[in-house]
Amino acid sequence: ETGVTQTPRHLVMGMTNKKSLKCEQHLGHNAMYWYKQSAKKPLELMFVYSLEERVENNSVPSRFSPECPNSSHLFLHLHTLQPEDSALYLCASSQDTPGGSETQYFGPGTRLLVL
Amino acid sequence: GNSVTQMEGPVTLSEEAFLTINCTYTATGYPSLFWYVQYPGEGLQLLLKATKADDKGSNKGFEATYRKETTSFHLEKGSVQVSDSAVYFCALSDRPGRRALTFGSGTRLQVQP
Repeated sequence: ETGVTQTPRHLVMGMTNKKSLKCEQHLGHNAMYWYKQSAKKPLELMFVYSLEERVENNSVPSRFSPECPNSSHLFLHLHTLQPEDSALYLCASSQDTPGGSETQYFGPGTRLLVL
Repeated sequence: GNSVTQMEGPVTLSEEAFLTINCTYTATGYPSLFWYVQYPGEGLQLLLKATKADDKGSNKGFEATYRKETTSFHLEKGSVQVSDSAVYFCALSDRPGRRALTFGSGTRLQVQP
């Protein structure tokens, strides 16, 4: 595997379910991100992890819970979601340096439908 | 705050036509600028980038020049192909240490044979 991979690619869940999205990067990067892409809206940054520590959380509801066990893996745990949470969830990674972050590389996304 | 404004789509062109997708931005300092492309059913791929004023990013026949005086980063291609049909996103990263990208809303390009 190369680049950034995400599983599952498609997910349908009820509002009472609990599920997790998985992201893995094979680029040796030290920062990982979750974005939400909804129809007709710009991409929204949800979470940023750098060196496995969460450094940004853009006021995301608590029904989304991220986990970064190491620099190569990132999870997004989902519980009691709402239909408006249906979207494409994109994972990205980059290499953080003292001068800033380099280019972000994206995975293919997980298409989530909440019924 | 930071913002990126792109022309609304869809942009529909015939094969071999010239493409321009406009992008303007608002940011503090000296941002890095990016174009990402999203093909149907896929995630975003970096198309090109420029990190300082007057830099030109280029890739796969696409070009964009970082214009600080007009705060623009317009995407151009001299001759589009059907395979270029996708959604194109302009984005910026505004300063060292800032990890988030600010994206435009995307422009859908449809190229007809």
